[in-house]
Amino acid sequence: GAGVSQTPSNKVTEKGKYVELRCDPISGHTALYWYRQSLGQGPEFLIYFQGTGAADDSGLPNDRFFAVRPEGSVSTLKIQRTERGDSAVYLCASSLMTDTEAFFGQGTRLTVV
Amino acid sequence: KQEVTQIPAALSVPEGENLVLNCSFTDSAIYNLQWFRQDPGKGLTSLLLIQSSQREQTSGRLNASLDKSSGRSTLYIAASQPGDSATYLCAVDTQGGSEKLVFGKGMKLTVNP
Repeated sequence: GAGVSQTPSNKVTEKGKYVELRCDPISGHTALYWYRQSLGQGPEFLIYFQGTGAADDSGLPNDRFFAVRPEGSVSTLKIQRTERGDSAVYLCASSLMTDTEAFFGQGTRLTVV
Repeated sequence: KQEVTQIPAALSVPEGENLVLNCSFTDSAIYNLQWFRQDPGKGLTSLLLIQSSQREQTSGRLNASLDKSSGRSTLYIAASQPGDSATYLCAVDTQGGSEKLVFGKGMKLTVNP
């Protein structure tokens, strides 16, 4: 596609449920990033993929969060046993290679009630 | 640990003014610095990317400068328009193995007609 695509755009879930957020990067981009943005804050890094492997997952807040990119293209961010504090906008970005311009998707707004 | 600061947090100006948005960072060992625009409820749109070896980049009415040694970048917006109203974020890609972007909290700009 022409840009980074994220689905769904909005997700409301009950506390304790499992959710999956999808990111479809720009075709040919090898680097893929997940960020989380809380209201009034800048995005905060969660995890970075180079190809299929998670090169840096130091930003994942705890073991309820996990992400995969099995074929080096689409990525899924998975959150288990959601908590109200997980409510935020989850942003995905991709770049042609590391240290080059990053392009962001529109984000998924997750609300845990 | 890299920290990025944007001051002020908000700015309201009349249409037509030339604007200067400031960004400072604590670790000068960066690969690049990127300026983004974020409209309410939307993702990030990349405006300008400055590599560490560059001093400035220009795109239309936007000009971004980088003084790496002093840890500062400036985004200059000429002849501001109401359509420029948005939140502007700067982010740095720091050297040293980490590929993530570190963001400031952003500056909310309102241009009044």
